[in-house]
Amino acid sequence: GAVVSQHPSWVICKSGTSVKIECRSLDFQATTMFWYRQFPKQSLMLMATSNEGSKATYEQGVEKDKFLINHASLTLSTLTVTSAHPEDSSFYICSAQTGRMYQPQHFGDGTRLSIL
Amino acid sequence: GENVEQHPSTLSVQEGDSAVIKCTYSDSASNYFPWYKQELGKRPQLIIDIRSNVGEKKDQRIAVTLNKTAKHFSLHITETQPEDSAVYFCAASIVADMRFGAGTRLTVKP
Repeated sequence: GAVVSQHPSWVICKSGTSVKIECRSLDFQATTMFWYRQFPKQSLMLMATSNEGSKATYEQGVEKDKFLINHASLTLSTLTVTSAHPEDSSFYICSAQTGRMYQPQHFGDGTRLSIL
Repeated sequence: GENVEQHPSTLSVQEGDSAVIKCTYSDSASNYFPWYKQELGKRPQLIIDIRSNVGEKKDQRIAVTLNKTAKHFSLHITETQPEDSAVYFCAASIVADMRFGAGTRLTVKP
């Protein structure tokens, strides 16, 4: 149980392109979803927290107009990297949680984004 | 907000030895402490967790201890095997607000 699916797993695109990443909870309802960015050999950097039906809460220093997050249902959240540039190249991971106490976050497989 | 510190950043042990990773947290309201294992290029996976009303929890070769007074918790891996080699993250949370440590890269030498 508690499976999170993230697509695509790998994206290579030209600078200026917008890229959408999907995160789905397959067998549970995710009240809260999270988006992380992970640089090589570094920790998980929280970008934003999204609750179903409401606006995402962005961490300090994360541009909300650059990283658009939509959490339209209890099983789907999307991250759109708008007008991506080489410095946006990274490993993006989503996670989902039921929102109840004492519950772990369940992670997707991540998306490796490479901007040329 | 919550701040989680994790030590050491790298740890190398011989197969069969024990490994210990330590974390401290700042917010006394944190009540749930999961540990994740992340292999290279893969997703972080939950390996064990502990609630604030429990002092110790064990699952086969893995155990976690929690000292609420001192606000620190530790992961213990006994009889390490090469497949234990990975990056381990601790976390502290209050409901949906979860903060991760910087990670420990564990290498188990055969």
